[in-house]
Amino acid sequence: DTAVSQTPKYLVTQMGNDKSIKCEQNLGHDTMYWYKQDSKKFLKIMFSYNNKELIINETVPNRFSPKSPDKAHLNLHINSLELGDSAVYFCASSQDRPSRSYNEQFFGPGTRLTVL
Amino acid sequence: RKEVEQDPGPFNVPEGATVAFNCTYSNSASQSFFWYRQDCRKEPKLLMSVYSSGNEDGRFTAQLNRASQYISLLIRDSKLSDSATYLCVVNYNYGGSQGNLIFGKGTKLSVKP
Repeated sequence: DTAVSQTPKYLVTQMGNDKSIKCEQNLGHDTMYWYKQDSKKFLKIMFSYNNKELIINETVPNRFSPKSPDKAHLNLHINSLELGDSAVYFCASSQDRPSRSYNEQFFGPGTRLTVL
Repeated sequence: RKEVEQDPGPFNVPEGATVAFNCTYSNSASQSFFWYRQDCRKEPKLLMSVYSSGNEDGRFTAQLNRASQYISLLIRDSKLSDSATYLCVVNYNYGGSQGNLIFGKGTKLSVKP
């Protein structure tokens, strides 16, 4: 059984479009995350939700809007896509909030977004 | 100063070699430390947590030096399958329930036959 799943795996789209990426975890975790990994392979947190409550909101353009309908799902909607949005987006989950010590995060397989 | 720094490598070593990676972190209030492994075009996966007393898991040994704010990973008897990028990860607790995981940019290891 897949623990953290994301769809789609690949997304190729034109500048200016709006797209969504979905994430689901079946681990029963309370916290979910979105990360962006750019071409330099740097993995950076974007958002985190704990029991559907937004707890981390890093400096991200407001074109990016996360939505958590329940604690097993965290979706990412991106408006007016730009070339610089091209990256791999990873969803992750953990049992507790990221402030808790030794709180392992489990990552999904990633969504490779290419904006043309 | 960057929050979590690692030598990007690549480290090219022959099978059977011993290789060590270091990582430094800037926030002395950091509480938890990890090494994650990321294979090419795959997601990061936890390799091992790093505890103050140091810990070992088979061929892998992790050490933490809080005074100097660095973490190390030693891999003995390298296998071809160890080829990957190793990410140093530090948990920052900003106070109360606020905190975050900060990832280093990773050290690339390539083990050759």
